[in-house]
Amino acid sequence: AQTVTQSQPEMSVQEAETVTLSCTYDTSENNYYLFWYKQPPSRQMILVIRQEAYKQQNATENRFSVNFQKAAKSFSLKISDSQLGDTAMYFCAFTPNNYGQNFVFGPGTRLSVLP
Amino acid sequence: DTGVSQNPRHKITKRGQNVTFRCDPISEHNRLYWYRQTLGQGPEFLTYFQNEAQLEKSRLLSDRFSAERPKGSFSTLEIQRTEQGDSAMYLCASSLAAGGMFSRYGYTFGSGTRLTVV
Repeated sequence: AQTVTQSQPEMSVQEAETVTLSCTYDTSENNYYLFWYKQPPSRQMILVIRQEAYKQQNATENRFSVNFQKAAKSFSLKISDSQLGDTAMYFCAFTPNNYGQNFVFGPGTRLSVLP
Repeated sequence: DTGVSQNPRHKITKRGQNVTFRCDPISEHNRLYWYRQTLGQGPEFLTYFQNEAQLEKSRLLSDRFSAERPKGSFSTLEIQRTEQGDSAMYLCASSLAAGGMFSRYGYTFGSGTRLTVV
């Protein structure tokens, strides 16, 4: 079975500081895709960043970057220069094939950015 | 296009009643997905459609759950004989079939319907 684990239920960070959210996953697939989604109080899931497993280079998207360690099956998210608007639930997600049907989500990390 | 629309936003129902939720996807998206999200958990995939065909339904939680997309546009998710354990948020998403998940705005979620069974 494919599973995603997020070991930090809650985290907090001071505004303008950097925070790293952890994610590990379990799969026997060799080719897959990993994602971080953000869910603010508005409830809509918003894509933050994605990574293809066959790419060794870590993805970056403005203040967001990942540390992808394929052998360790680890996919952490780093948020730099944290902003109050980053306060949300963050979900790590995985999809096991090229055809992109559904996600397998982790349980989430609640991030609070403190002023 | 205003994105994926879900109605109602909240639904409170008595145990044993039937409920139906509606999802209107982005108009050009031919795939539509349903997820369930319980408190403190990530969304859990239930089923998906490509146009009007339901291509995966083995993940529906029980035979009390059913979904339709009769004309390949909007979809409905019905729960019959609701139980307290059905209390959750039900999320809908839509995408293009070809690579929709992998483009920046290709897989779009709605804001969900929160169901409370009392």
